Amino acid sequence: DAMVIQNPRYQVTQFGKPVTLSCSQTLNHNVMYWYQQKSSQAPKLLFHYYDKDFNNEADTPDNFQSRRPNTSFCFLDIRSPGLGDAAMYLCATSRAGGLTSGRADTQYFGPGTRLTVL
Amino acid sequence: DAKTTQPTSMDCAEGRAANLPCNHSTISGNEYVYWYRQIHSQGPQYIIHGLKNNETNEMASLIITEDRKSSTLILPHATLRDTAVYYCIVRPGYNAGNMLTFGGGTRLMVKP
Repeated sequence: DAMVIQNPRYQVTQFGKPVTLSCSQTLNHNVMYWYQQKSSQAPKLLFHYYDKDFNNEADTPDNFQSRRPNTSFCFLDIRSPGLGDAAMYLCATSRAGGLTSGRADTQYFGPGTRLTVL
Repeated sequence: DAKTTQPTSMDCAEGRAANLPCNHSTISGNEYVYWYRQIHSQGPQYIIHGLKNNETNEMASLIITEDRKSSTLILPHATLRDTAVYYCIVRPGYNAGNMLTFGGGTRLMVKP
């Protein structure tokens, strides 16, 4: 089945130690998103890639970076994790119809990676 | 994005219909109504979306009022596995960069 895959499902890192979370998709979607969800809160968008174009949300800290080497894969890099970065990180994908298509592009989510910072 | 208002929590008896309301009084003409749900410790799951007309799929029905200022998600025969947080989101349909702005959602508890 076509799907969005996130690895690992659980990640433990130390304060200040760089960590990378990965997302892959078999949907051949051209847009990939990263959301952060802290405990008991709603998901919040960090950034997204529209094909190779990177779009950062204004309030996303510089500590968070992303890479998309090809259509199928997207990575979230946290350069120096702090205790406040402990959260569930969600990857989502969609197929964009473009600015003039008028078609809603539904986002499909992976299962998430739960990050613990010690 | 237009903001939505949902009840914080609701209960529903197993086997009965669950009707989840959502107010989106500032919705504009090109904005769709989307519903997602999130079961504990899982990623959000797409349920259904609509623009003007009522919609139905294998998971649920979406009823949108004629003035589009509110909508109701209907789970016709709720099961225990439908216990989740349900998010109502409005967003333009044409721009891939438009994020899903999640509000507080409704925590639905299906009880035996």
